[in-house]
Amino acid sequence: QVQLVQSGAIMKKPGASVNISCRASGYPFTMFVISWVRQGPGQGLEWMGWISTSTGYTDYAHNLQGRVTMTTDTSTNTAYMEVRSLTSDDTAVYYCARTHGVGDFDFWGQGTLVTVSS
Amino acid sequence: EIVLTQSPGTLSLSPGERATLSCRASQSVSSTYLAWYRQKPGQAPRLLMYGAYTRATGIPARFSGGGSGTDFTLTISRLDPEDFAVYFCHHYGRSSRTFGQGTKLEMK
Repeated sequence: QVQLVQSGAIMKKPGASVNISCRASGYPFTMFVISWVRQGPGQGLEWMGWISTSTGYTDYAHNLQGRVTMTTDTSTNTAYMEVRSLTSDDTAVYYCARTHGVGDFDFWGQGTLVTVSS
Repeated sequence: EIVLTQSPGTLSLSPGERATLSCRASQSVSSTYLAWYRQKPGQAPRLLMYGAYTRATGIPARFSGGGSGTDFTLTISRLDPEDFAVYFCHHYGRSSRTFGQGTKLEMK
């Protein structure tokens, strides 16, 4: 069955960077785009960007350009996202999601809580 | 950027009742690029509908999607206890990918 398993919760200090992983299984990894979405405490969902797992092409949300990098390792079927220059506003649960068809998200990782605090 | 506004913010109903959730876009969007998700506390969202009208795999027939242009709806014909959760609409156009702020469906 399709599974996306993310790395565990992590705490970082302001100004630091965080790297989150998302390991896919149960389907051909390079056939589907991986997107990243985050959700602040008690907040709604924010699309962060996506990466083509076959070409490496990326598309980032405008407000995050310059601070986020998405990559993949096709040898391990794993997607990664790095967020730099963290502030308290980046405290959120971060999700990876398989992008189905023209862009909806049909399978999600379990989420990774990133807490930014001094 | 297209803004999605969901209403009501909270909907209080009982199991067995019918629920209708609304999602209004700030400009006309293609139904091809409209989805709905359900999120239970502490869980990741789950895809319910895509292309506005198509149920995702494993989603029961009590869920249906409607609307076009700027106004879309998600209808749950008979509420099951597992349906009490937060629902998000989502537009995934080429130049704009946004979510609505959510509708909380709570048990009366």
